[in-house]
Amino acid sequence: EAQVTQNPRYLITVTGKKLTVTCSQNMNHEYMSWYRQDPGLGLRQIYYSMNVEVTDKGDVPEGYKVSRKEKRNFPLILESPSPNQTSLYFCASSKRTGNTEAFFGQGTRLTVV
Amino acid sequence: EDKVVQSPLSLVVHEGDTVTLNCSYEVTNFRSLLWYKQEKKAPTFLFMLTSSGIEKKSGRLSSILDKKELSSILNITATQTGDSAIYLCAVAGNQFYFGTGTSLTVIP
Repeated sequence: EAQVTQNPRYLITVTGKKLTVTCSQNMNHEYMSWYRQDPGLGLRQIYYSMNVEVTDKGDVPEGYKVSRKEKRNFPLILESPSPNQTSLYFCASSKRTGNTEAFFGQGTRLTVV
Repeated sequence: EDKVVQSPLSLVVHEGDTVTLNCSYEVTNFRSLLWYKQEKKAPTFLFMLTSSGIEKKSGRLSSILDKKELSSILNITATQTGDSAIYLCAVAGNQFYFGTGTSLTVIP
């Protein structure tokens, strides 16, 4: 089954404790991206990747890191989480940007206390 | 600056009403416009539009793109409570740009 898998689905952590949210897709997609969703602000792009070893900042990259060492995986790293990073996070992938839809993971609800 | 703007931000209607959701955009290197429905979980794909004036239709939902006006509308006829959701508009350029969404509530 074609899918984007995020883990964990829910996470409560403390300020400053490094964490990684994993994202994996099985569709051989080139384009992958991370979004955060906050009430009233919609989906805001954190980072995106056009292909292996190619990553770019989105609209709200501060406090986040990503890597794209393999085509299927695109982990999101919070080196020192802060409470303002409490949010709902989505990973998405598509064949490319353009005339294809983006497939979303199920989301990760992160709470930083 | 590339942006996607949706209106209204929220909408409350009664079952059976028809609603029109709007999406306007300013995105360089436009490639396509996509509509998604989000019900307390991951967004699910509804439509992708690339050409002006050609309506895409799926049951009670339909959508059309106007490239001259840089906008799109999503129509839902004979609304049902199951249509209650956030409707997201996205534009694919060099990357995907999302609007803030329209929250639709359909009351019985």
